[in-house]
Amino acid sequence: GAGVSQSPRYKVAKRGQDVALRCDPISGHVSLFWYQQALGQGPEFLTYFQNEAQLDKSGLPSDRFFAERPEGSVSTLKIQRTQQEDSAVYLCASSLVASGTEAFFGQGTRLTVV
Amino acid sequence: GNSVTQMEGPVTLSEEAFLTINCTYTATGYPSLFWYVQYPGEGLQLLLKATKADDKGSNKGFEATYRKETTSFHLEKGSVQVSDSAVYFCALTGGGADGLTFGKGTHLIIQP
Repeated sequence: GAGVSQSPRYKVAKRGQDVALRCDPISGHVSLFWYQQALGQGPEFLTYFQNEAQLDKSGLPSDRFFAERPEGSVSTLKIQRTQQEDSAVYLCASSLVASGTEAFFGQGTRLTVV
Repeated sequence: GNSVTQMEGPVTLSEEAFLTINCTYTATGYPSLFWYVQYPGEGLQLLLKATKADDKGSNKGFEATYRKETTSFHLEKGSVQVSDSAVYFCALTGGGADGLTFGKGTHLIIQP
């Protein structure tokens, strides 16, 4: 596609609900990253995929967070039993090869847990 | 671990003023350095980058030089425009298969 696409753009969840956030990277991009951006802060790294392999998940804040990219293209970030502190913008980025090259970001999904 | 520190905002300037946004970093090895910009209602966009010491990245009149001796990557523009109003993020990556480490962002407001 023309750019990184994320859906939904906005999500309101009741505390305790499970949510799934989708990322469609640029076609052919090998690397895919998820970031969490709290209000007034910079994005913080969550996890990294190279094709379908999740090579780094060190930034996932708890075992309620799970990400997958089963066919090496579309990725889903799932948050189980959402808590208020999960409220943030979740950003997806893709790049042609590994880091050090330009990463293209989607517009993000704004998650509000009430 | 890696970290990025950038000046707090908001920074408010008049049109045609000179801009500097300071950025310093801590990293092991030889990181690549980036400035990203987020215009209102839009996603993060790469503004410029530098991949080794003394490299200068430039784009849209903005410049930043990778200074290893001072671990800095300050963003400069000689004459800002109202359309430059945005949030600017300094970031680094350590190379290989790791993600970006971002600063907290600097909100720039340019008044006509």
